[in-house]
Amino acid sequence: DIQMTQSPSTLSASVGDRVTITCRASESISIWLAWYQQKPGKAPELLIYKASTLESGVPSRFSGSGSGTEFTLTISGLQPDDFATYYCQQYKSYLFTFGEGTKLEIK
Amino acid sequence: EVQLVESGGGLVKPGGSLRLSCAASGFTFSSYGMNWVRQAPGKGLEWISSIPSTSSYIYYADSVKGRFTISRDNAKNSLFLQMNSLRAEDTAVYYCARRGSSLSGFDCWGQGTLVTVSS
Repeated sequence: DIQMTQSPSTLSASVGDRVTITCRASESISIWLAWYQQKPGKAPELLIYKASTLESGVPSRFSGSGSGTEFTLTISGLQPDDFATYYCQQYKSYLFTFGEGTKLEIK
Repeated sequence: EVQLVESGGGLVKPGGSLRLSCAASGFTFSSYGMNWVRQAPGKGLEWISSIPSTSSYIYYADSVKGRFTISRDNAKNSLFLQMNSLRAEDTAVYYCARRGSSLSGFDCWGQGTLVTVSS
C-alpha cells in the first residue's frame, strides 16, 4: 500500500501569514494527489486535485504543487476561516490513502 | 443541490453487525464512483472502501477486508456498507463520499454517521 506522510502535524500561524504543508508518498504517485480541509465536527471538503488544480469555489489563496513523491499545499494570506485540519490523499492506487493530517492553529 | 445523507449508525456490541446507508440526491448517482471513509474520535481520515458506478470492481482497506461489504443500488440512488464482526477499533464517524471523476478526489461528502462499538 502507498503510505502518505504529512508534515508538520501541527502548525501555528497568524492571520495574513503564508504557510506550507508538505505531503510525501512512499512511492511515486505522479500527480494523483488531493488536498482536503476539515473543520471540527464537519465533513472534509476538497480543495485541490491532480496536485495543483483548484476545486471550483476554492479561494485562490490556496495552491498546490509537486509530483512524484513530494507535494505541498500553500495558503497565501491566511484568513480566520482557514484555521482547520488539512489532509492529503493519494489516488494513484485504488487503495486510496490519506496523510495523518496537519492542524493549522492560530498563533 | 448535490447531497449525501448517511444513516444507520448507532451503538453495537463487539462482534455485532450494522448496515449503513447513504442516500444521494441532486446528481446522477449511477455515473459516479462512491466511497466510505471513517474517522475515529480525535483521529485522522481512513479510507475503507470504494465501489465504481457499475460495481465492477470493489476495493477494501486491509483493516476491514473480510468483515465489511460495500454495495450500491443505482435505481434507489443509495450506497450501503454492511459491517460484520465489529470491533472496538471500528468506532468512528463514517462518511460516504463521491469521487468527482477518475481525475479527481472526493468532491462531495455526507455529514457522517457515528458508529460506536462497545459492550
